[in-house]
Amino acid sequence: GAVVSQHPSWVICKSGTSVKIECRSLDFQATTMFWYRQFPKQSLMLMATSNEGSKATYEQGVEKDKFLINHASLTLSTLTVTSAHPEDSSFYICSARDVGQGETQYFGPGTRLLVL
Amino acid sequence: GESVGLHLPTLSVQEGDNSIINCAYSNSASDYFIWYKQESGKGPQFIIDIRSNMDKRQGQRVTVLLNKTVKHLSLQIAATQPGDSAVYFCAEIQGAQKLVFGQGTRLTINP
Repeated sequence: GAVVSQHPSWVICKSGTSVKIECRSLDFQATTMFWYRQFPKQSLMLMATSNEGSKATYEQGVEKDKFLINHASLTLSTLTVTSAHPEDSSFYICSARDVGQGETQYFGPGTRLLVL
Repeated sequence: GESVGLHLPTLSVQEGDNSIINCAYSNSASDYFIWYKQESGKGPQFIIDIRSNMDKRQGQRVTVLLNKTVKHLSLQIAATQPGDSAVYFCAEIQGAQKLVFGQGTRLTINP
C-alpha cells in the first residue's frame, strides 16, 4: 500500500524557535497533501490543504504566517511552525492523496511537537 | 455547520466478541465515508470506506453499514482481538476533498 513518512517523529524546542516538519509520499505521487493537528484525546483537525506548485489553502482560524506550508514537489510537503509557543505543542499529522487513487488519503505516522 | 459525530466515546468488549462502533453524520449530501483506526502515538490507518450508493460493505473481519435514512454509520469488527484496541474515527468527505473527522471512539479489549 501507499506509504507516507514524516520527519522528525518527535521534536522538542524552545519557545520562540521555528520547527520544520517534512511529509513525504514514498511510493506514489501526491498532488495534494493535507496537514492536521491533534491535541490529546481529541480528533484530527484539518489545518491546511497543500497543492503541489501552488499556495496552501488554510482552514478558518489557522494562521498562515505562523504555519508555513511548502509543497515543492509531488512527493514532499513541509510544515514550518514559526516562533513556536507552548500552546503549539501537539501531534501534527500529514496525509497525501495518490494521484491515481481518487479520494483516498494515506496518513503519515505523525510528529509530536513539544515546545518548552 | 455540518459535522460528523460519534455516539459513544468509549467501548469495552470481551476478546472474541463482536464490536460495533457507531457514527452519526448531519450532512445529508455526504456521499463518501471512511473508517480509520488510530493506535496510540501513530497516524490514522485506513480500515474501510463506503459510498452513499451502498448500504453495506465488508472487509476482512470488518463490516461497515450505512443507513442514509437516519444518517448513521457503523463499523462492526468480528471476533475482536487485543490488536484491535485503538481509537476509531469515522470521517466524511466534504466538498471536493476535505476530510472531516468525528470525535473518535476508544475501543478497549478485555481478556
